[in-house]
Amino acid sequence: AQSVTQLDSQVPVFEEAPVELRCNYSSSVSVYLFWYVQYPNQGLQLLLKYLSGSTLVKSINGFEAEFNKSQTSFHLRKPSVHISDTAEYFCAVSLNTGFQKLVFGTGTRLLVSP
Amino acid sequence: SAVISQKPSRDICQRGTSLTIQCQVDSQVTMMFWYRQQPGQSLTLIATANQGSEATYESGFVIDKFPISRPNLTFSTLTVSNMSPEDSSIYLCSVAGGGQNPYNEQFFGPGTRLTVL
Repeated sequence: AQSVTQLDSQVPVFEEAPVELRCNYSSSVSVYLFWYVQYPNQGLQLLLKYLSGSTLVKSINGFEAEFNKSQTSFHLRKPSVHISDTAEYFCAVSLNTGFQKLVFGTGTRLLVSP
Repeated sequence: SAVISQKPSRDICQRGTSLTIQCQVDSQVTMMFWYRQQPGQSLTLIATANQGSEATYESGFVIDKFPISRPNLTFSTLTVSNMSPEDSSIYLCSVAGGGQNPYNEQFFGPGTRLTVL
């Protein structure tokens, strides 16, 4: 079975500062990795995903995540955050075959203040 | 990507009653999933709904409590039966596959916020 650990429940940061949200996973087989974002009172949106190939994946709004197989990690980073990045961020994994369920971490609330 | 709507968006219900949540997609999809997000917690899969077959339930979830229908490739319902305050959660449907949708990526609906008194 797969599992996901997000050690930081909340990360406060000032606007324009860099941020890293940590995600570690556990699986005995190959997986796909995802970051979803949930803005206040909204549904989940896919931020970025790793399926195969380049281990560094990027989103259109400046976030990036790097798949590290040896450390079983998929940390999310942004060099300079905006107030509008305030949201809950969920890391998730699925098996890399067919239609598979997502197993989510407990989420990290990113709080960006001026 | 698929556009997903859910009805109702929120509801307040009395214990012992049942609520049916609808999930409508604007295109045909292969798989539909139902997740629960309890207050302050992460998402947990309830069941997977494949058109034309019985839903597959995760450990801890049973059909009598959460019956699911999937009559066609664009629609599914989840019923929360004999509700108790512990059922107060956000219920989300997600979809994967079909048309232009990749099988390895899930798109989520806006969720149904349920409060049970």
